[in-house]
Amino acid sequence: ETGVTQSPTHLIKTRGQQVTLRCSSQSGHNTVSWYQQALGQGPQFIFQYYREEENGRGNFPPRFSGLQFPNYSSELNVNALELDDSALYLCASSLDGYYTEAFFGQGTRLTVV
Amino acid sequence: KNEVEQSPQNLTAQEGEFITINCSYSVGISALHWLQQHPGGGIVSLFMLSSGKKKHGRLIATINIQEKHSSLHITASHPRDSAVYICAARTSGSRLTFGEGTQLTVNP
Repeated sequence: ETGVTQSPTHLIKTRGQQVTLRCSSQSGHNTVSWYQQALGQGPQFIFQYYREEENGRGNFPPRFSGLQFPNYSSELNVNALELDDSALYLCASSLDGYYTEAFFGQGTRLTVV
Repeated sequence: KNEVEQSPQNLTAQEGEFITINCSYSVGISALHWLQQHPGGGIVSLFMLSSGKKKHGRLIATINIQEKHSSLHITASHPRDSAVYICAARTSGSRLTFGEGTQLTVNP
């Protein structure tokens, strides 16, 4: 079992609402990456935070935003929810560097109705 | 064309069979990850490799950097191996680019 925890595990929201997902990284890890996984597809990179700064972003609109806190935990915020935002949202924590293991949380299953 | 491609998409095997899942990538990488995802979503890292071969129990992962190809092998497969297996390329920084996954079903 990894030390990466995500909350909540499941969430149902209405189109147009806003949502905040949370991720506690593994102890000592300073980098958190967020991924969106639609049903039947591989995860897609949303963005990465390193030492409280955004450090790379995938092809997602600005209504997807994030934060990383001094303890390296992180939040993913999505505004103006759309039906297509329904997906599993995964966070992965790691130490900075090119050859470091990534540890994943269990994910948050978001359903937008 | 996806930067990371896996084959096959779906694989059904009988218990005890030798299984191979392939992964090809078209980008420069610092490492290649093999991951396992069970129903419900949680992802477990199986291997991270940048050259050669790694073995853990019945699982073996190989990578050929020149050919930009990696394989995951499962020997003596078992129904509990049934899961989605995903390869992911570590590209810029520590960002991962994922393949679409291979759904493996091992029947008793």
